[in-house]
Amino acid sequence: DTGVSQNPRHKITKRGQNVTFRCDPISEHNRLYWYRQTLGQGPEFLTYFQNEAQLEKSRLLSDRFSAERPKGSFSTLEIQRTEQGDSAMYLCASSADHGRINTGELFFGEGSRLTVL
Amino acid sequence: AQSVTQLDSQVPVFEEAPVELRCNYSSSVSVYLFWYVQYPNQGLQLLLKYLSGSTLVESINGFEAEFNKSQTSFHLRKPSVHISDTAEYFCAVSRTSGTYKYIFGTGTRLKVLA
Repeated sequence: DTGVSQNPRHKITKRGQNVTFRCDPISEHNRLYWYRQTLGQGPEFLTYFQNEAQLEKSRLLSDRFSAERPKGSFSTLEIQRTEQGDSAMYLCASSADHGRINTGELFFGEGSRLTVL
Repeated sequence: AQSVTQLDSQVPVFEEAPVELRCNYSSSVSVYLFWYVQYPNQGLQLLLKYLSGSTLVESINGFEAEFNKSQTSFHLRKPSVHISDTAEYFCAVSRTSGTYKYIFGTGTRLKVLA
């Protein structure tokens, strides 16, 4: 299967702990996105990368959140000192757009569900 | 900035009946529009998209959406729904250039009843 892969699929942690999620995009995709989805809401944009460069970050991404894509392939999203409000599904998506024109679609992984106790 | 409004959080409909899921967007620049579907316990999948050209776009499973620039809408329709269409549907918008951020609506849960 060459779709977007996310790990772990589920994570339960205690408040104050750090968690890290990994996303492996479709191999030839140069853009990678992180979204957060809570119950009854649509995906909320967190950040996106073009290759290894992080081009945009949402104000939702507080200082406790950090995302990296060191070699332009897989990406990690780390949440430090987790809070109960961080409980959500974290979605990763990738796309194969090139150049300055946005013409593509997003391919989503199945998400990583975080529960903070 | 762009925004998307899906006014209907839930739409129940009987099998074989028609359905319309509403989507309105706001943007000061030209945009692309998308409908994504999320089946239970699955990731989001693209259903259809409007990039340019004909304002009426169709999916392979019978859904269609029409881009209406004057009303800033991109409503999704299907003339006859099936039980298998039960899912969450999300409308999304992105700028045509300059940034590649996609903004999603809050979703509409379509429940098809037997």
